[in-house]
Amino acid sequence: GAGVSQSPRYKVAKRGQDVALRCDPISGHVSLFWYQQALGQGPEFLTYFQNEAQLDKSGLPSDRFFAERPEGSVSTLKIQRTQQEDSAVYLCASSSRRGPADTQYFGPGTRLTVL
Amino acid sequence: GQQVMQIPQYQHVQEGEDFTTYCNSSTTLSNIQWYKQRPGGHPVFLIQLVKSGEVKKQKRLTFQFGEAKKNSSLHITATQTTDVGTYFCAGRGTNAGKSTFGDGTTLTVKP
Repeated sequence: GAGVSQSPRYKVAKRGQDVALRCDPISGHVSLFWYQQALGQGPEFLTYFQNEAQLDKSGLPSDRFFAERPEGSVSTLKIQRTQQEDSAVYLCASSSRRGPADTQYFGPGTRLTVL
Repeated sequence: GQQVMQIPQYQHVQEGEDFTTYCNSSTTLSNIQWYKQRPGGHPVFLIQLVKSGEVKKQKRLTFQFGEAKKNSSLHITATQTTDVGTYFCAGRGTNAGKSTFGDGTTLTVKP
């Protein structure tokens, strides 16, 4: 069942490496969101998909960050040439309706550590 | 851009005491959501408020949305150790598609 799953749960990367983080939303959920959560802070919006369309990517911090959802279900967040400031928990959330106003169900997150 | 502030950042209470966290937005909101995140866990949706002046209750939790739709509060009556965690508000602006999260209030409860 059910919930939103993310993999890997933990990722350690050397500075300069590329990483790919996967999100499996709840089956049938139209909307998918990526957030970055630094220690002691709230989730910061990165990007939002409605089905396969990326409707808002205003929160992506640089062009090193890229997200896709080619078939409208699974999504991948890719970070190229990782930097230490990329270290954070990356959360994925999905919701059943169009638009971010609806309840978001969060996955367990991927904790990324860049050395 | 839209900013959402939460106070206090931390709150330590004795079990049985009440707890309140406040959320303030720099802009008028179309709705506000509240989430709870347990230590080591992920945010879990609690409630959504949409109407000006709205008050909703969930057992010992009372949520309010201000008349101007720029602030909100969460009040827990007679805290229990199971209430421990960080409580986040997330406000959606009237024009923006996305929600902005506050930095949360972390509640610890002494048994």
